[in-house]
Amino acid sequence: AQSVSQHNHHVILSEAASLELGCNYSYGGTVNLFWYVQYPGQHLQLLLKYFSGDPLVKGIKGFEAEFIKSKFSFNLRKPSVQWSDTAEYFCAVNADGNNRLAFGKGNQVVVIP
Amino acid sequence: NAGVMQNPRHLVRRRGQEARLRCSPMKGHSHVYWYRQLPEEGLKFMVYLQKENIIDESGMPKERFSAEFPKEGPSILRIQQVVRGDSAAYFCASSPDVSSYNEQFFGPGTRLTVL
Repeated sequence: AQSVSQHNHHVILSEAASLELGCNYSYGGTVNLFWYVQYPGQHLQLLLKYFSGDPLVKGIKGFEAEFIKSKFSFNLRKPSVQWSDTAEYFCAVNADGNNRLAFGKGNQVVVIP
Repeated sequence: NAGVMQNPRHLVRRRGQEARLRCSPMKGHSHVYWYRQLPEEGLKFMVYLQKENIIDESGMPKERFSAEFPKEGPSILRIQQVVRGDSAAYFCASSPDVSSYNEQFFGPGTRLTVL
């Protein structure tokens, strides 16, 4: 079964700082990769996704992620965070189109104004 | 276009009672997924349904848990004889088809507390 690892569960940073959240998965076949965000009191929303093509994916709100197949990684980045980026971020993997999403444990990000 | 709807948003049950969680997919979506999030954990897949069919229930506990998605009406996740360990957030997601894209749209979740 595929598994997804996210490190540094709690991240605290100041506005304008850069953010990078790591995501590693343990599956060697074809994968679809996702980052979801959950703002306080809201439901999960899709930030960005990778299916194929350019491994550098741009999402909403200035986020981007890079798929590095050799490292089984799909790290999320944002050059300059805002207070409104305070949220929990989940990496998710779908393997071989089996319709199950495997999620990491999430990163709780707090941006201090 | 309304998103995925779940109700109730919060549910409190005593040990031994039954919990029924409802999920209405987005309009035009015929595929429903249920996930469970335990405290300090990521979401874990439970079951995948299409209308009137269970497609994949590999993540469902073997006992006390069942799910259905009838021809008419919402999908129901049913937990019989709840125990404290069932306390969690239960999320429903839906998708329009089973293409290779598999983008799932999530509801707000139901937070179940078992006393």
